[in-house]
Amino acid sequence: ETGVTQSPTHLIKTRGQQVTLRCSSQSGHNTVSWYQQALGQGPQFIFQYYREEENGRGNFPPRFSGLQFPNYSSELNVNALELDDSALYLCASSFGLAGGTDTQYFGPGTRLTVL
Amino acid sequence: GQQVMQIPQYQHVQEGEDFTTYCNSSTTLSNIQWYKQRPGGHPVFLIQLVKSGEVKKQKRLTFQFGEAKKNSSLHITATQTTDVGTYFCDGSSNTGKLIFGQGTTLQVKP
Repeated sequence: ETGVTQSPTHLIKTRGQQVTLRCSSQSGHNTVSWYQQALGQGPQFIFQYYREEENGRGNFPPRFSGLQFPNYSSELNVNALELDDSALYLCASSFGLAGGTDTQYFGPGTRLTVL
Repeated sequence: GQQVMQIPQYQHVQEGEDFTTYCNSSTTLSNIQWYKQRPGGHPVFLIQLVKSGEVKKQKRLTFQFGEAKKNSSLHITATQTTDVGTYFCDGSSNTGKLIFGQGTTLQVKP
């Protein structure tokens, strides 16, 4: 067990709806990264938050947004859901910036299905 | 843009055979991590490599980081059915961006 938790574990939404996914980091970690993993693909980097500020962003449209709270838990929000947003969403926490020597620990993921 | 290419995409081996997967980056990496993901599961951290030319071993697994810090390999000696899964590398650039390879899926025939 990594100590990183995510909720919910599964979610079904329809096109056009909005969704909020939550992640609780491992104790002592101040950095969280979010990934989208489509079936059979590697994780795609969405963005990273370090001490409540966005530290980097992958190639995702603005309807993907996030928040990191003072206790370093985090949210991923997706607006105007599209069918292609169906995927496993993973969060990973670490201490410090990922460009250093810090290791990421992944949560179990939220499986989002958009109908 | 920054890319990490992982080869092969799939590998089927007979139990007891060796297996190697390679990660190649278009840019110099500050470090590289390897993960294993079982079918239906989430990535599990295996190891991190930081130094140029670094070699680390975990039982039957050997990890290497290239001298130029642009490539890395994971070698499994005498595969077992428990080694089945997808192995991902994740490279961190000096800008902090994280780039995953597409993964190598390993099937082991008993």
